[in-house]
Amino acid sequence: GESVGLHLPTLSVQEGDNSIINCAYSNSASDYFIWYKQESGKGPQFIIDIRSNMDKRQGQRVTVLLNKTVKHLSLQIAATQPGDSAVYFCAAGDTGRRALTFGSGTRLQVQP
Amino acid sequence: EPEVTQTPSHQVTQMGQEVILRCVPISNHLYFYWYRQILGQKVEFLVSFYNNEISEKSEIFDDQFSVERPDGSNFTLKIRSTKLEDSAMYFCASSGAEEKLFFGSGTQLSVL
Repeated sequence: GESVGLHLPTLSVQEGDNSIINCAYSNSASDYFIWYKQESGKGPQFIIDIRSNMDKRQGQRVTVLLNKTVKHLSLQIAATQPGDSAVYFCAAGDTGRRALTFGSGTRLQVQP
Repeated sequence: EPEVTQTPSHQVTQMGQEVILRCVPISNHLYFYWYRQILGQKVEFLVSFYNNEISEKSEIFDDQFSVERPDGSNFTLKIRSTKLEDSAMYFCASSGAEEKLFFGSGTQLSVL
């Protein structure tokens, strides 16, 4: 079954370092993936997305990598800044189904 | 930049009372959603709405829940008889031609 808990995995990095946040998904039918950032008391904010016909996509300071073979997704943040401190969620969807399924989230803490 | 707006930001209600959470999606979007997030947990899908009808709903979205688009701009979530376990942050989201969802800042519902 699916585990649900109050404890979020936490990644602590130094300002200026690169961060890598990982996510695993289980549905083989998923063909669209998206990363959201959520700051305390706010709604999820779009960071970057990728379709299953790609294995890498880059944005401004962020890169998403997709490995469909092992159903794994990662978000890389270059030169992490204190403003990047937040909870990061991956979400997955599939063609024809607009609803996204969210992962459990990772808390990123950036130390100055 | 267009955004999804939600009102109220906080709602306190007594168990058994009805509540209506309100959302104004981004104006040219056609797909609307409600998600919820219990404190410290992941974002959970409730319902999606398209072309004036529910397109998908989760197990959480039982007979106590309903959605409505009463006019051309608002999208509402009604909980008919609130329970303690309905206490959560409720997020409205909308999307256009792409699957990317844009979220509002949420309504924190507290059921006493």
